[in-house]
Amino acid sequence: AQSVAQPEDQVNVAEGNPLTVKCTYSVSGNPYLFWYVQYPNRGLQFLLKYITGDNLVKGSYGFEAEFNKSQTSFHLKKPSALVSDSALYFCAVRDIGDFNKFYFGSGTKLNVKP
Amino acid sequence: ETGVTQSPTHLIKTRGQQVTLRCSSQSGHNTVSWYQQALGQGPQFIFQYYREEENGRGNFPPRFSGLQFPNYSSELNVNALELDDSALYLCASSLNREDTQYFGPGTRLTVL
Repeated sequence: AQSVAQPEDQVNVAEGNPLTVKCTYSVSGNPYLFWYVQYPNRGLQFLLKYITGDNLVKGSYGFEAEFNKSQTSFHLKKPSALVSDSALYFCAVRDIGDFNKFYFGSGTKLNVKP
Repeated sequence: ETGVTQSPTHLIKTRGQQVTLRCSSQSGHNTVSWYQQALGQGPQFIFQYYREEENGRGNFPPRFSGLQFPNYSSELNVNALELDDSALYLCASSLNREDTQYFGPGTRLTVL
């Protein structure tokens, strides 16, 4: 079965510093990977996805993610964090062999302090 | 905003009751997926509807059922509510089964 793991429940970073939110995956076949962000009492917002091609994927709000096949990782990054980036971030994998089901990680709470 | 809407925003029910949640998909999207997000957890896949047919189901009992209408809007029905059904229920639509899913704001269900 496909799965993703987010090893950090919480990440703290100062405004202006680079941020990384970690995600590792376990899939059979080619991975289809996604990042979503969730603000309090809101649904999930799509940030970016990796299907194929360049290992560095650029997404919304200045976020990017690096796909690393050898380390089975898909870490979310941003060069300079903003206080408004504080939210809950979810990594997800799509199982194209099983009705395109999405499997989400447990989420990482990002706190950006001024 | 994604264009995916859900109603109601909040709902309080008691054990044993039945509930219907509604979702309007983004214009042009023919696929709707439903998720349950318990407090402090990631969303769990319930099922997906594609062109009015169920197209995949997660590990949820049969008392969770759904419908998709010709305009691709969708309903999630839960019978015989249990306390553990308390959660945020998210609907997501996509252009087709393989595309990126765009989420609505969710319905917060509380079962007392």
